[in-house]
Amino acid sequence: AQSVTQPDIHITVSEGASLELRCNYSYGATPYLFWYVQSPGQGLQLLLKYFSGDTLVQGIKGFEAEFKRSQSSFNLRKPSVHWSDAAEYFCAVGAPMGQGAQKLVFGQGTRLTINP
Amino acid sequence: GAGVSQSPSNKVTEKGKDVELRCDPISGHTALYWYRQRLGQGLEFLIYFQGNSAPDKSGLPSDRFSAERTGESVSTLTIQRTQQEDSAVYLCASSRRTSGDLRYFGPGTRLTVT
Repeated sequence: AQSVTQPDIHITVSEGASLELRCNYSYGATPYLFWYVQSPGQGLQLLLKYFSGDTLVQGIKGFEAEFKRSQSSFNLRKPSVHWSDAAEYFCAVGAPMGQGAQKLVFGQGTRLTINP
Repeated sequence: GAGVSQSPSNKVTEKGKDVELRCDPISGHTALYWYRQRLGQGLEFLIYFQGNSAPDKSGLPSDRFSAERTGESVSTLTIQRTQQEDSAVYLCASSRRTSGDLRYFGPGTRLTVT
């Protein structure tokens, strides 16, 4: 069965600093990988996804993630964070269920705090 | 509507009572998912509906949990004889059949069992 590990429960960075959130997955086949962001009082929003092809994927809000099969990782990065990036970030791995559906398995999340 | 909506936004209930949570997916989205998010945890898959196919109920934690969906519209998640461990945020998501990703989540229903 697939699983996702986000080793860092809470990360604090200064505004303008670079960011990397770690994600490791376990899945037997080529995974579908996702990063979501959950801001306080807001629903989950898809940041980016990897299905195949280029292993460096670009997402919204200036985020990117790199799929590394050898390390079973899909780390999320941003070169310069903004105070509005403070939120909870979830990595997820998807297993196709047929008919275009995904049974997503989520990590426990990483809470990002931004210092002014 | 413009997005996935869920009601109520908050529900407080006494242990042992039944509750019903509602999800209105985006019009035209054939796939609908329910997830549970306990405090400080990631999302747990509960159930998946795709059109008129039999739902995938593999994530339902016990027989106290059930869900229904009429065609490609509203879905209800029912929890019978609620327990304190059922306290969580229940999230609904919908997608087009071929999108392959869960782009649209609702705001969730926060359930508190006292």
